[in-house]
Formats: sequence, C-alpha cells, structure tokens
Amino acid sequence: DGGITQSPKYLFRKEGQNVTLSCEQNLNHDAMYWYRQDPGQGLRLIYYSQIVNDFQKGDIAEGYSVSREKKESFPLTVTSAQKNPTAFYLCASNMARQPQHFGDGTRLSIL
Amino acid sequence: GENVEQHPSTLSVQEGDSAVIKCTYSDSASNYFPWYKQELGKGPQLIIDIRSNVGEKKDQRIAVTLNKTAKHFSLHITETQPEDSAVYFCAAQGNNRLAFGKGNQVVVIP
Repeated sequence: DGGITQSPKYLFRKEGQNVTLSCEQNLNHDAMYWYRQDPGQGLRLIYYSQIVNDFQKGDIAEGYSVSREKKESFPLTVTSAQKNPTAFYLCASNMARQPQHFGDGTRLSIL
Repeated sequence: GENVEQHPSTLSVQEGDSAVIKCTYSDSASNYFPWYKQELGKGPQLIIDIRSNVGEKKDQRIAVTLNKTAKHFSLHITETQPEDSAVYFCAAQGNNRLAFGKGNQVVVIP
C-alpha cells in the first residue's frame, strides 16, 4: 500500500542526546514536511522540502535539522539544542497543488 | 504570516444531530482550505477541502462552506455518529505553506 511511514512510534531522549526520527514515503511525492504537535495546539511547521537536496526552515526550526538526500526520505534530527523536545512529531508529503497527507507520528519523550 | 482561529475548542452533540465548526483566517491571499480529522495516536486524515473559487462543497454527510469576504470557512457534519468523535483541524494555505487552527474536539454522545 502507498503511504507515509514514520518510525519509531515512541522515542525517548536523554539529556544532551541527539535523536533522529524517520519518515519514508512511497507516494512519489515531491514535497515533504515536518510538523510538531503539542497538546491542545495546532500543527507547527518545523522544516519542509520541495525537492531533493533542498529544504527550508519553517516557523520553529531552532534545535532541529533535516536532510533530503532521497526523494522518498526526509529524516528529522532533534538536537540537544532543542530544550523542550517532548511532543508528537508528524511528517507529511504532497505533490504541488495537492493536499498534504500525514504519517501516524512519532511521540518523543525525555528520560 | 497566516493566522487561523478555530471555534469552539470543544463540541458535544447528540448522535444524529449536526455539528458545525467555524474557522477564520487572516491572509486574503490564502486560496486553499482543507479539513483534517485526527483520532487518538494517529496522524491527521484529510476529510474534505475547498479552494477559493468555490463557495461550498459536499461529500455525503460532510460539507464545507467558504466566505472569502468575511474570511471564514465552516465544516458541517450532519447525522453525526459515534465514529465522528475526534479532533478536527482546519487549515489555510497561502505561499505553499499550511497554517493550522488549534483543533476542535468533537464528542458524539450515543
């Protein structure tokens, strides 16, 4: 089945540690996105990429990094510089002028 | 940037009644307005969308209306069922970026 796969479903981070969240899509979509969701809040854009080897900062990029080496993959690294990383992270993708489709998220918690 | 406000934050309805969620947006250049449904522990799922050249769109029990002059759009769910219980998000798109409202918890009481 075509879709967006996020892994792992749950992730724990220790102080001073970087962690990487995986997002893979087999929809042949050009654009991919990372959002952060906090309780009772809407989705806030972290980074997005409209084409391979290119990406742009969203509204809350500080403390995060991404790469887009392959069309189907857009991993997000939560660095130790992100002081409040506990949240639900959502990856999405789309073709130009088409709706965004979401994965089922990764919940990140601090040990 | 675009700012999307969503009201009410929580809505309880009796099964079979209608539910209406309203959103307002700030950027008159926004031209695409999707609605997403999110169930617990899952990612948002697109349920209906509307573009700025259309005033209303309907898909079975779900409809969306858009008033560009007033810059607001609404989701209407008729004949609600328990499986309609979820969080619903509206969004507005301009400049290739989506801005989301904070979500609305809909509870359908059997």
